[in-house]
Amino acid sequence: DAKTTQPNSMESNEEEPVHLPCNHSTISGTDYIHWYRQLPSQGPEYVIHGLTSNVNNRMASLAIAEDRKSSTLILHRATLRDAAVYYCNGAGFQKLVFGTGTRLLVSP
Amino acid sequence: DAGITQSPRYKITETGRQVTLMCHQTWSHSYMFWYRQDLGHGLRLIYYSAAADITDKGEVPDGYVVSRSKTENFPLTLESATRSQTSVYFCASSESWGYGYTFGSGTRLTVV
Repeated sequence: DAKTTQPNSMESNEEEPVHLPCNHSTISGTDYIHWYRQLPSQGPEYVIHGLTSNVNNRMASLAIAEDRKSSTLILHRATLRDAAVYYCNGAGFQKLVFGTGTRLLVSP
Repeated sequence: DAGITQSPRYKITETGRQVTLMCHQTWSHSYMFWYRQDLGHGLRLIYYSAAADITDKGEVPDGYVVSRSKTENFPLTLESATRSQTSVYFCASSESWGYGYTFGSGTRLTVV
């Protein structure tokens, strides 16, 4: 299973872009890279995932390094509702293993 | 309602008792998972299932039993609850490997 390393916390101002980094140097060639976020007292919420190419959806963008050893979740304009713990995970065959996550603080 | 539901939302039980946490999804997703979340340990995978009647151990399976006789249900049983099993339990489902996971709202279990 891929082990991930993320900063414990990051801060941003509202309406500014946020780049959340993740290192996953042990990821295998078939592991997907998933990102989830968790608000207090809620279950994790799917944000985005990808294998090799950069991915975009309505919530965020995922930039995956060419060697796949790292990735960056990009929130284009942070809002107060984006304050959460963000988890970068390596999804090995059939199972998703969570790392420790990054707590994102968003200031008005 | 469509989605993934967990029950009960809160449960208090005594040490040594058997308790079952329920998880139900309405999408007919093949994959289902149980995680526990504790302060200092984050989310840890307990068991997962790739299809009905197919289950496998995750990172922390000891003390837990699962079954999956129907695609939509994936109950988690603590056969003899211990205080160390006090935690928040999350169920999740996924359409297939390579797809995103959808999580339930969680069950907060307290073993006294």
